[in-house]
Amino acid sequence: EVYLVESGGGLVQPGRSLRLSCTASGFTFNNYAVNWVRQAPGKGPEWVGFIRSKTYGGATEYAASVKDRFTISKDDSESVAYLQLNSLKTEDTAVYYCTRGLTSPLVGYFDYWGQGTLVTVSS
Amino acid sequence: DIVMTQSPDSLAVSLGERATINCKSSQSVLYSSNNKNYLAWYQQKPGQPPKLLIYWAATRESGVPDRFSGSGSGTDFTLTITSLQADDVAVYYCHQYHSSPSTFGQGTKVEIK
Repeated sequence: EVYLVESGGGLVQPGRSLRLSCTASGFTFNNYAVNWVRQAPGKGPEWVGFIRSKTYGGATEYAASVKDRFTISKDDSESVAYLQLNSLKTEDTAVYYCTRGLTSPLVGYFDYWGQGTLVTVSS
Repeated sequence: DIVMTQSPDSLAVSLGERATINCKSSQSVLYSSNNKNYLAWYQQKPGQPPKLLIYWAATRESGVPDRFSGSGSGTDFTLTITSLQADDVAVYYCHQYHSSPSTFGQGTKVEIK
């Protein structure tokens, strides 16, 4: 059974940083890309970014709204992916989900999702 | 960016009747090299993450009931729920993964009439 479990969310002041973790199990983590998707209260999902598997160089891509502020990384030895959130803004308030991507270099569709972790940016 | 526009925003359907949700992309999400449409559909219930229903526009995810089907190509797509069940009350999203940034539709809320 595939599981993805996010952690690290919470209340943070604007301008501060936070690191989210996504712990995976039930599949060969190093073969897959990992995407982060967020959903603001009452809104639809928004793709944040993804990291490809080492097969494809572990390259990352980001949405314009978070580029240069957020960083995705992956520790295949621990089956954990991270989302580093810097210079947080109130509009970053959302539930953040990690999702399993594909074994290809594409963003792909998301067949498994974690339950999400809530990030609230407020003074 | 590819903009995904769903219609309607909400619909109410009687139990056992058909529900049809449309999704239009601002650019084609069909790759001619492999003739695949890079389009997925998800179902989201309150307090839960989205659940994948359909990928490659028409391939049903394992375990998804066959009353859910996807169709369309290029820029126009449809999710059809034949014989709506009470458990199908949810918000449905289309999602393109053809181009970065990957983008979602605004969602369609399905309720029981």
